[in-house]
Amino acid sequence: AQTVTQSQPEMSVQEAETVTLSCTYDTSESDYYLFWYKQPPSRQMILVIRQEAYKQQNATENRFSVNFQKAAKSFSLKISDSQLGDAAMYFCAYRSQEISSGSARQLTFGSGTQLTVLP
Amino acid sequence: DTGVSQDPRHKITKRGQNVTFRCDPISEHNRLYWYRQTLGQGPEFLTYFQNEAQLEKSRLLSDRFSAERPKGSFSTLEIQRTEQGDSAMYLCASRAGGRAVFDNEQFFGPGTRLTVL
Repeated sequence: AQTVTQSQPEMSVQEAETVTLSCTYDTSESDYYLFWYKQPPSRQMILVIRQEAYKQQNATENRFSVNFQKAAKSFSLKISDSQLGDAAMYFCAYRSQEISSGSARQLTFGSGTQLTVLP
Repeated sequence: DTGVSQDPRHKITKRGQNVTFRCDPISEHNRLYWYRQTLGQGPEFLTYFQNEAQLEKSRLLSDRFSAERPKGSFSTLEIQRTEQGDSAMYLCASRAGGRAVFDNEQFFGPGTRLTVL
């Protein structure tokens, strides 16, 4: 079974500064997907960024980028130019590559990192 | 609003009562998931539907839990004889089928927060 570990329960960053959230995972699979989700208070979870394991290039989405180290099984999220609206719980998640058309491909989540953005 | 919706948003019940939650996925999504999220933790997978068929169930889904998706559209999750340990946020997610990259994303609903007294 796959596991996802987020070792930083809480992080804070000054507005306009850069912050990095850590995530490690454990798997014996070679093909998989990794995700960062954002869950604002009392609001639904939204996808921030995703990475396919077969791609060596790190994914980027505007101010969000990842550092994917497949050998080390590490998948960190960097938020540049932090904004007040970035304050939320961030979850790292893993999903297997599809085995068959009926495969669930459910997400395995870490325990989350609560990000506070200081004005 | 074309996103995933869940009803109710909050439910308070007494131990031993039955509760039922509803999820309406994005209309063109044939895959639907239920997750449970306890305080301070990430969501944990409960069960998965492809159209109306329930194809996978987690060991977390005890026999007091039952989920249905009768016409392959909305889904219900029922908890019988609720226990205090059932207190959690119950999240629904949906995604489209297919193997293209854009089909990989699961879209989440706002969740139903259950409190068992």
